Amino acid sequence: GQQVMQIPQYQHVQEGEDFTTYCNSSTTLSNIQWYKQRPGGHPVFLIQLVKSGEVKKQKRLTFQFGEAKKNSSLHITATQTTDVGTYFCAVPGAGGTSYGKLTFGQGTILTVHP
Amino acid sequence: DAGVTQSPTHLIKTRGQQVTLRCSPKSGHDTVSWYQQALGQGPQFIFQYYEEEERQRGNFPDRFSGHQFPNYSSELNVNALLLGDSALYLCASSLTPTYEQYFGPGTRLTVT
Repeated sequence: GQQVMQIPQYQHVQEGEDFTTYCNSSTTLSNIQWYKQRPGGHPVFLIQLVKSGEVKKQKRLTFQFGEAKKNSSLHITATQTTDVGTYFCAVPGAGGTSYGKLTFGQGTILTVHP
Repeated sequence: DAGVTQSPTHLIKTRGQQVTLRCSPKSGHDTVSWYQQALGQGPQFIFQYYEEEERQRGNFPDRFSGHQFPNYSSELNVNALLLGDSALYLCASSLTPTYEQYFGPGTRLTVT
């Protein structure tokens, strides 16, 4: 099945610093999704990237999909304490029959010190 | 508009017992997926139900089974519980054909 590597595992930043997490796949992806899970909460969908080289922004969050569609990144500018949580990338299974079968990365745990 | 709901919130079972977890999808969604999330890990796909049939299955043993009802709600059953089944069980619904998953708050299962 699909596998995706996510780094770093942990990231500690001072409030106001930037943060980036990366996801890498050995195979070409049809799309990639990003989720955020607050401590004690459940994953919440952030965005889906589909096109090669796609860049999408949501306020201070910037999402990129690599040209080869094998990697993706999430960048947060000027972190705030509300950004605390675990950020996951998730990729669909290969082939039409794996529709909706998401494989999640290990996640990056972000802590923000005020 | 109610989101995805799950019951119960927490559950404690003894090794060898059986458990049933329940999920109601977000209004308008007809596809339900179940995930197991161990502490410090990403969610692991168990299976997906659409039109009352299991459409996709992850690498989980047959002890894990499920059902989807005509109103799209779903149940996850786990037989012969093992200590390693202790985890957060997440239900997610989606509006086919999109992959976007809306997760419920989860059921925390502890097996002693």
